[in-house]
Amino acid sequence: KAGVTQTPRYLIKTRGQQVTLSCSPISGHRSVSWYQQTPGQGLQFLFEYFSETQRNKGNFPGRFSGRQFSNSRSEMNVSTLELGDSALYLCASSSDSRNSPLHFGNGTRLTVT
Amino acid sequence: DQQVKQNSPSLSVQEGRISILNCDYTNSMFDYFLWYKKYPAEGPTFLISISSIKDKNEDGRFTVFLNKSAKHLSLHIVPSQPGDSAVYFCAASDSGGGADGLTFGKGTHLIIQP
Repeated sequence: KAGVTQTPRYLIKTRGQQVTLSCSPISGHRSVSWYQQTPGQGLQFLFEYFSETQRNKGNFPGRFSGRQFSNSRSEMNVSTLELGDSALYLCASSSDSRNSPLHFGNGTRLTVT
Repeated sequence: DQQVKQNSPSLSVQEGRISILNCDYTNSMFDYFLWYKKYPAEGPTFLISISSIKDKNEDGRFTVFLNKSAKHLSLHIVPSQPGDSAVYFCAASDSGGGADGLTFGKGTHLIIQP
């Protein structure tokens, strides 16, 4: 099975711009989660989608949003970018059965200048 | 408030010896715990998990121990190999599953010395 695929791998944006990141989960996985990794805060949960619905949300401002399509692919959008949004954004998918672990992609490295 | 803590930012172990990585948590609702390994420029890779109904789970060279009363878990790697050099993250969930938002520790950088 192919793993979780995230595109693009690297992005450089300017403050105030917006950005969209893409994630294709492992085939058959219907749950997709997004995490932000920064050196100071570690890995922090952004949100989780299941069957095109946001099922859970972390403590991030409304500038961070996402969606999931009928084929389980997901996108994450960040509007009005700030310098502090520079981070590695990780997508993970899960089969959503009880006690099934998350499987992560290699992430998108976003740099805001 | 950090609910999952890995108090050792780094750990150096000789090849062939045992590596012990520790993790403490504060939320008594956590009932599912996982360890992930991360190489630079890659996403975290799932290693091993344990649910709160068990106190030990073993998979090859990796064993996770859970002490619920102390709210402590540890990952043992025996024997340690050079390829084990990576950052290890402890994670916990209060849903009994991995999909509802994991809380991660900040990681321990394990260095295996030849």
